[in-house]
Amino acid sequence: DAGVTQSPTHLIKTRGQQVTLRCSPKSGHDTVSWYQQALGQGPQFIFQYYEEEERQRGNFPDRFSGHQFPNYSSELNVNALLLGDSALYLCASSLGQFANTGELFFGEGSRLTVL
Amino acid sequence: GNSVTQMEGPVTLSEEAFLTINCTYTATGYPSLFWYVQYPGEGLQLLLKATKADDKGSNKGFEATYRKETTSFHLEKGSVQVSDSAVYFCALTFSGGTSYGKLTFGQGTILTVHP
Repeated sequence: DAGVTQSPTHLIKTRGQQVTLRCSPKSGHDTVSWYQQALGQGPQFIFQYYEEEERQRGNFPDRFSGHQFPNYSSELNVNALLLGDSALYLCASSLGQFANTGELFFGEGSRLTVL
Repeated sequence: GNSVTQMEGPVTLSEEAFLTINCTYTATGYPSLFWYVQYPGEGLQLLLKATKADDKGSNKGFEATYRKETTSFHLEKGSVQVSDSAVYFCALTFSGGTSYGKLTFGQGTILTVHP
């Protein structure tokens, strides 16, 4: 049973560029959430997608956008990259907007470095 | 807003030592509380949870009790092993309202266990 898979695992961009990160949820899961984890910090909620719509959003600017596809996979897009966007981006999946058990399944993340 | 505060780390212990990692929270209402663990090279995974006051979550020898009066959810283990070396995150969420589906994490505590 495949867990949450994310790609790419590492990438380097320069300021002002745009990046797209991808996530495939755990088999059977229909909800995807994205988190940003800066070095030495806990993950910060970016947004959640369910039924191909953004359902919840954290305190992130509009430069952060996303999409969910009919097969439940998801993309995170960040425009006009800033140095402060350097972080580990985590994708998490669940069944329903928030699983009855309260459990999210996380991928290993995509490490973004902005130079 | 909601927040989670964990004890400063890193924590270094010898095998079979007793472990306590402190976690306190600030929230309006009564959240559900979680401990997630991140082993080296792996994604975050749920360790244990508690959904109401005085509940005790337990898993793999770890325990934590939801204390409403002290707004705390301290993680304990009686005898740690080298394989417990990881980063531990305390987190909260609500089952409804504007925080539904969002996990708020603490900053994480690095645990290293030596043989």
